[in-house]
Amino acid sequence: AQKVTQAQTEISVVEKEDVTLDCVYETRDTTYYLFWYKQPPSGELVFLIRRNSFDEQNEISGRYSWNFQKSTSSFNFTITASQVVDSAVYFCALTLSGSARQLTFGSGTQLTVLP
Amino acid sequence: DSGVTQTPKHLITATGQRVTLRCSPRSGDLSVYWYQQSLDQGLQFLIQYYNGEERAKGNILERFSAQQFPDLHSELNLSSLELGDSALYFCASSAQGRGADTQYFGPGTRLTVL
Repeated sequence: AQKVTQAQTEISVVEKEDVTLDCVYETRDTTYYLFWYKQPPSGELVFLIRRNSFDEQNEISGRYSWNFQKSTSSFNFTITASQVVDSAVYFCALTLSGSARQLTFGSGTQLTVLP
Repeated sequence: DSGVTQTPKHLITATGQRVTLRCSPRSGDLSVYWYQQSLDQGLQFLIQYYNGEERAKGNILERFSAQQFPDLHSELNLSSLELGDSALYFCASSAQGRGADTQYFGPGTRLTVL
């Protein structure tokens, strides 16, 4: 069975600081997909990124960047120059390509950005 | 806005009652998923449908059931409600229901059982 671990329960930073959210996953499958979702205080789950297991290229989107390393089974998320609007719970998730297509979520990291 | 709609947004009911949560997927998506988010269990997968057929089942209680209709909307039925069923229930949809597909989530239905 697959597992996603987000060891950081809560992180607090001051605006404009950089912050990295850690995600470690476990699976025996060679084909899998990793995701990050954001849950702001309003409660909805917002999709941020999807990465497949064959693509280890890091990705940057504005202030967001993701570092995928298969060697350490990690898919970390960095926010550069954080803003108050980045305050939210961030979830890392994993799904497989076979019959079990449901998302397995980590427990989430509550990020608070202070002004 | 993900394009997935869920109704109602909030639901308050009593123990022992039955409720129905409704979800409409994004236009063109054939697969619907239901997840439960609670403080103690986190985000847990309940069940997946693809084009009207059940495709995968997670930790869904026997008191809970779901279906996907020909117009692809889905309903999650929760019966004999207990206090512990209080949670945020999310519906998500994806194009083909494959692992490679991104799941887009609705705004959720917050269920409170008193």
